[in-house]
Amino acid sequence: DSGVTQTPKHLITATGQRVTLRCSPRSGDLSVYWYQQSLDQGLQFLIQYYNGEERAKGNILERFSAQQFPDLHSELNLSSLELGDSALYFCASARGTGAYNEQFFGPGTRLTVL
Amino acid sequence: GENVEQHPSTLSVQEGDSAVIKCTYSDSASNYFPWYKQELGKRPQLIIDIRSNVGEKKDQRIAVTLNKTAKHFSLHITETQPEDSAVYFCAAILYSGGYQKVTFGTGTKLQVIP
Repeated sequence: DSGVTQTPKHLITATGQRVTLRCSPRSGDLSVYWYQQSLDQGLQFLIQYYNGEERAKGNILERFSAQQFPDLHSELNLSSLELGDSALYFCASARGTGAYNEQFFGPGTRLTVL
Repeated sequence: GENVEQHPSTLSVQEGDSAVIKCTYSDSASNYFPWYKQELGKRPQLIIDIRSNVGEKKDQRIAVTLNKTAKHFSLHITETQPEDSAVYFCAAILYSGGYQKVTFGTGTKLQVIP
């Protein structure tokens, strides 16, 4: 157990809908990263937050947004869902935002868009 | 942006043999290279990492080498065991100006045959 929690574990929804994925980092970690892992694909970095502020953006679609709250939990919002958005979404947390901070991954949320 | 290529995509070895997975990256500014192991249905976990100012690092049966000039790095697993069977991901991280840009390879599915 990495200490990072994600809810829900599974989510099934329809195309065009909107969902929110939640991540709670390890105690003391200020950075949160979001990743998308499609079937048989690698990990795609979406976005990073540090202490409530956006720090880096990867391949995040405009239909997706995220935020980190004062209590440091983070939410990833996915809207106008398409079949291709079906994937495993991981968040990871790290102590800081330094170059060599180890990232600890949560168990993931499996999103299925029908 | 950064591009990370990982080879091979699948690798089968006999128990006790060595396994080597190679990654190349495109952005010479990348300065941190972690490797993750992901067992089926589980979260990625860091197994070893290397910084850009180091050429080689070992941890028991696992080693990583980095050639900055050629922009490639490799994971070496010796005396493989069935529990080493998993998907392995390399990553290249560029740290600059207080932010991290993370790019993962596409993964290598390692199967260790007893």
